[in-house]
Amino acid sequence: SFELTQPPSVSVAPGQTVSITCSGDQLGDKYVSWYQQKPGQSPVVVIYQDNKRPSGIPERFSGSNSGNPATLTISETQAMDEADYYCQAWDSSTAYVFGSGTQVSVL
Amino acid sequence: QLQLQESGPGLVKPSETLSLTCTVSGGSLRSNNYNWGWIRQPPGRRLEWIGSIYHSGSTYINPSLESRVTISVDTAKNEFSLRLTSVTASDTAVYFCARQSGQSCRGGSCHSDVWGQGTTVTVS
Repeated sequence: SFELTQPPSVSVAPGQTVSITCSGDQLGDKYVSWYQQKPGQSPVVVIYQDNKRPSGIPERFSGSNSGNPATLTISETQAMDEADYYCQAWDSSTAYVFGSGTQVSVL
Repeated sequence: QLQLQESGPGLVKPSETLSLTCTVSGGSLRSNNYNWGWIRQPPGRRLEWIGSIYHSGSTYINPSLESRVTISVDTAKNEFSLRLTSVTASDTAVYFCARQSGQSCRGGSCHSDVWGQGTTVTVS
């Protein structure tokens, strides 16, 4: 069945750039969304359809999906970006699937 | 501003049916550009997409849950509901309702752009 795999955790210094990967079978042929979830809160979409940013999401969030893996990049990372990040994609056999999640620590 | 609010029992016995309702305020379920969905998150685990519904009543359910899940809509009340039958401990989770941006979620073009705060359901 279709699955999405992410690294469990990444760390970044304030002001630096961090990238989170999302791997899955033929992922380059699918739309990928990315969600940010802070403890005790509902997820917030930060990227959809590979690289589109919803209104209100800072420009420092960007996405790419030119192959496998897909990548979420946070530039000039701030303390407020510390959260869990989940990728999501669709497959005809499993419908929408979320990745395993990546905890981003801003050290 | 669009808001979604989940409601329903926080405790359900094994083998019984879990029923939740999502009330939408600040907008209409009848919008042609959106579906309305349910997503859950077991404790300490990844999110799981349960399914979605269009205001016409057309549904799209996660194949792994299809035999136990019913999603319905009441446009007059501006709410939609989830029923999950024959629950077990593995159905214990925070259940979120969310707006799915896209006229049809089949094919992968939808994303969840507005979420409720979530409600915790324990099966015990």
